[in-house]
Amino acid sequence: EVQLVESGGGLVKPGGSLRLSCAGSGFTFSNAWMNWVRQAPGKGLEWVGRIKSKADGGTIEYAAPVKGRFTISRDDSKNMVYLQMNSLKTEDTAVYYCNTGQFFDYWGQGTLVTVSS
Amino acid sequence: DIVMTQSPDSLAVSLGERATINCKSSQSVLYNSNNKNYLAWYQQKPGQPPKLLIYWASTRESGVPDRFSGSGSGTDFTLTISSLQTEDVAVYYCQQYYSNPYTFGQGTRLEIK
Repeated sequence: EVQLVESGGGLVKPGGSLRLSCAGSGFTFSNAWMNWVRQAPGKGLEWVGRIKSKADGGTIEYAAPVKGRFTISRDDSKNMVYLQMNSLKTEDTAVYYCNTGQFFDYWGQGTLVTVSS
Repeated sequence: DIVMTQSPDSLAVSLGERATINCKSSQSVLYNSNNKNYLAWYQQKPGQPPKLLIYWASTRESGVPDRFSGSGSGTDFTLTISSLQTEDVAVYYCQQYYSNPYTFGQGTRLEIK
């Protein structure tokens, strides 16, 4: 059974940093493209970024609102993907989901990030 | 950026009746080299992550009931639920995965009439 478990969310002040983690199991993690998608409270879905598998070049892509502030990385030896978030803004407040694939076939339950003073 | 626009924003349908949700992209998401539409549909119930229903515009994900179907090509797409069940109450999103950023529609809230 495929499982994705996010962790690392919490309350942080504007300008602060946070690192989210996503642990994958039940599939060949090293072959998977991994994405981060966020959802602000009561709002729709917003793609944040993606990291492809090393076999597919390991390309990393970001949405414009987070480019230069957020960094995605992966550790295939641990079946983990990470989202390092710096210079956080109040508008980054959201539930952050990790998911798999070119189209997002498996999703974690999400972790809430609240940016507030 | 490709803008995805869904209609309607909300929809109330009687149990057992057909529900239809439309999605329009601001540019084509049909990749000519493989003749595939890079369009997916998701269902999200309250307090849950989204669930993939349809990919390549019309391919049903494993385990998704066959009352869900997707159609369309190019810029105009439709999600149809042939006979609405109580468990189908949710918000539905379309998404293009043709080009970065991989944008979602604003969502359509489906309720029971």
